[in-house]
Amino acid sequence: QKEVEQNSGPLSVPEGAIASLNCTYSDRVSQSFFWYRQYSGKSPELIMSIYSNGDKEDGRFTAQLNKASQYVSLLIRDSQPSDSATYLCAVKRGSQGNLIFGKGTKLSVKP
Amino acid sequence: DVKVTQSSRYLVKRTGEKVFLECVQDMDHENMFWYRQDPGLGLRLIYFSYDVKMKEKGDIPEGYSVSREKKERFSLILESASTNQTSMYLCASSPLGGRQETQYFGPGTRLLVL
Repeated sequence: QKEVEQNSGPLSVPEGAIASLNCTYSDRVSQSFFWYRQYSGKSPELIMSIYSNGDKEDGRFTAQLNKASQYVSLLIRDSQPSDSATYLCAVKRGSQGNLIFGKGTKLSVKP
Repeated sequence: DVKVTQSSRYLVKRTGEKVFLECVQDMDHENMFWYRQDPGLGLRLIYFSYDVKMKEKGDIPEGYSVSREKKERFSLILESASTNQTSMYLCASSPLGGRQETQYFGPGTRLLVL
């Protein structure tokens, strides 16, 4: 089983809709979870982190964590064409700060 | 703002050449990382370092070595470049400890080995 799994997409949503991105992880003891956004040809940039079960909201972004089911999700409300990018889910491994990245989900927001 | 810089955005080298990729961060972070990113394979960790002169192998260290002589600088070395090392190389840094640490990435170096 891969350590961090994401649907590669592409996920296509119309402008103004909610985009839902999902991620599952295999290490039950993981405590720290991150969502990065990567535009084509650019490096990843952090958009959300979450550490506790439940929802965490930041503007149009909501991260959801369910440790019992070992999944993390990212909701993007009122999706904009500028949200079109690849979204990487990352899970911290061990105590040294290593992150394990999923392969990313490509999101396309159509005007 | 955290700033992570990489010495080159694009690099073209020949098979067998020794290649140095430099990364510098200005936030006094303890941890530094080197990844490569390939289509369909995602981000893969090559090496990381959590202190000066310390290094740890990541998931794909073969064919690479690293050097960390100063806290702010982490170098990736391809001893004898091969065509299968053509890739995007990303450096990242993060502070040590606590649950709030996260990684900040440099702009990347796109390496082509001919």
